[in-house]
Amino acid sequence: RKEVEQDPGPFNVPEGATVAFNCTYSNSASQSFFWYRQDCRKEPKLLMSVYSSGNEDGRFTAQLNRASQYISLLIRDSKLSDSATYLCVVYSGNTPLVFGKGTRLSVIA
Amino acid sequence: NAGVMQNPRHLVRRRGQEARLRCSPMKGHSHVYWYRQLPEEGLKFMVYLQKENIIDESGMPKERFSAEFPKEGPSILRIQQVVRGDSAAYFCASSPLADSYEQYFGPGTRLTVT
Repeated sequence: RKEVEQDPGPFNVPEGATVAFNCTYSNSASQSFFWYRQDCRKEPKLLMSVYSSGNEDGRFTAQLNRASQYISLLIRDSKLSDSATYLCVVYSGNTPLVFGKGTRLSVIA
Repeated sequence: NAGVMQNPRHLVRRRGQEARLRCSPMKGHSHVYWYRQLPEEGLKFMVYLQKENIIDESGMPKERFSAEFPKEGPSILRIQQVVRGDSAAYFCASSPLADSYEQYFGPGTRLTVT
C-alpha cells in the first residue's frame, strides 16, 4: 500500500462548481497534514495545513479524519485559476515530507 | 527577500554525462532537502543535508547519485553517468529548522537526458 494515495483525476468541472478531493495515508503515526498546489511545470506551493477540527480558508475547506486516516479538500465556487494539481502531503516527525501523486483539476469556462 | 534558488532551470545531458544541480537556500536557512519528480508522479524525497553534513540519504539511489552542502556555497546534487530514467524535475527545499515540515521550495531543475 502506498504511503499517500490520491485519486489522480483529472477532475473537469465548470466554473462555479464545488469539487472535493480525497487522500488516504498509511502511517498511523503521521503528525501533520497539508495540501499543496502545483501548477504545470512549477514548484509545489503550500495551500493549507489540515487540522483535526477542520479548517477553512476562503473557498477552501480541509478536513482530517485520523481514525480513518483520511484527508479531504473541498473547493467551492471553482475559478479558472484553480486549475492545477493538488498534492496531499503527510509529515511523520523526523522523516521527510511524503507526497501523494496529486489530483489534477481543470476548471472549464 | 530572495527565495530558494536553483540553477540551471533546464539541463540537457547525453547518456553517460554528468549532471550538476545547484540549490541556494533562503537566507538564514541551513537545512536543505532534495526531491525528484518523475513525469506524472509525486515528489519523492532523496536527501536531507545540513551544512557539511548528510543527515538522511535514504531516498537517494545508491549508485551514481551524490549530494553535498558545503560550508560556503550552494548545495549540489550530482548525477554521474546519467541515463534516460534520470529525466525528471529535481526540486530543492530549505528550512530554518531541523527535521521541519516548514519547507520552502525552489523552482526546480528540469533534467532531460537524450
